[in-house]
Amino acid sequence: AQSVTQPDIHITVSEGASLELRCNYSYGATPYLFWYVQSPGQGLQLLLKYFSGDTLVQGIKGFEAEFKRSQSSFNLRKPSVHWSDAAEYFCVISGTGNNRKLIWGLGTSLAVNP
Amino acid sequence: GAGVSQSPSNKVTEKGKDVELRCDPISGHTALYWYRQSLGQGLEFLIYFQGNSAPDKSGLPSDRFSAERTGGSVSTLTIQRTQQEDSAVYLCASSLGGQGAETQYFGPGTRLLVL
Repeated sequence: AQSVTQPDIHITVSEGASLELRCNYSYGATPYLFWYVQSPGQGLQLLLKYFSGDTLVQGIKGFEAEFKRSQSSFNLRKPSVHWSDAAEYFCVISGTGNNRKLIWGLGTSLAVNP
Repeated sequence: GAGVSQSPSNKVTEKGKDVELRCDPISGHTALYWYRQSLGQGLEFLIYFQGNSAPDKSGLPSDRFSAERTGGSVSTLTIQRTQQEDSAVYLCASSLGGQGAETQYFGPGTRLLVL
């Protein structure tokens, strides 16, 4: 079965602290991998994506993610969190054919303490 | 340029009524997707269009749900005889539809409340 697991439903960090959001997936082959962010009252915004090549990908807002094939993981990281990073973060996968329907994790809600 | 737009932004309806939700994709995007975001269920795929055809309808939850796309552009998602469990945010996304490293761009969604 195709699925995405985000083990942490909710995380709270202090501003300036580092962040790592975990993501594991189940798929028949290597999928395309994404992280999306949804801020309160805002739409979904793509943070970064992995299709092929270098397994460490850089995204917007200072985020990066590392694809580890052996662990079927795609964890999101940021060295220093800002209060504006408080949001819901979704790990997402898709197939690599014509149909790129997205399969979503349930999300991790990030709170940032001042 | 203009992004994906959806209308209405909010819809309140009574149980048993039919509703239509509209999506205007980014011009030139041949692929269009509908998703649903509901409490406790996360985001779920509903249907995928390539041009005007829908090769994947596997996510539609029941035969009360249908969708069409005309002119390779605007898409309408119709829910007949709405039920309270249909309450959710319905999101539309579009992409170029080709091969390679493409991104789906999301609209702001339609928040549907069935009373």
